[in-house]
Amino acid sequence: AQRVTQPEKLLSVFKGAPVELKCNYSYSGSPELFWYVQYSRQRLQLLLRHISRESIKGFTADLNKGETSFHLKKPFAQEEDSAMYYCALRPIPGYSTLTFGKGTMLLVSP
Amino acid sequence: NAGVMQNPRHLVRRRGQEARLRCSPMKGHSHVYWYRQLPEEGLKFMVYLQKENIIDESGMPKERFSAEFPKEGPSILRIQQVVRGDSAAYFCASSWDSNTEAFFGQGTRLTVV
Repeated sequence: AQRVTQPEKLLSVFKGAPVELKCNYSYSGSPELFWYVQYSRQRLQLLLRHISRESIKGFTADLNKGETSFHLKKPFAQEEDSAMYYCALRPIPGYSTLTFGKGTMLLVSP
Repeated sequence: NAGVMQNPRHLVRRRGQEARLRCSPMKGHSHVYWYRQLPEEGLKFMVYLQKENIIDESGMPKERFSAEFPKEGPSILRIQQVVRGDSAAYFCASSWDSNTEAFFGQGTRLTVV
């Protein structure tokens, strides 16, 4: 069975500081990894997926198959980045069903 | 396109009653997914439906829970004889096909009293 682990429930940083939200996964095959974000009072939305190799809102994430990790990084946090972040895995290519981590709340203080 | 619409946003039921949660997918989307989020937990997959068909219900509790996505109208997640442990946020997502991004609704928060 697949599993996604986000070890931090809360990450609090100051504006301008670097941010790294950790995500580790376990899956026997080749997964597809995603980061979703939920801003206050808004719906869950896709932030980025590993296959697109994009930088969205300054965030990047690299899939490390050796360490089975997909950490989300941003060099300089902004107050508007404060939100709940979920790492997710899609185990079967062709299915959009996702396995989510428990989420990490990012708080960026001025 | 209004996005994925779920209603009601909040639902309160007494133990033993039935709960019906509705999900209208985005226009043109024929794939619907239901997830449940218990307090302090991540979203957990429940069921995946395509118009009139259940594709994967591996995450659905075996009893009291059912889901449908009829040819016309919204997808319905039905919970019979609710218990306190059913209190959770239920999220619906929809996608164009099985390989494209799924868009989420705002969720229905069910409280069983």
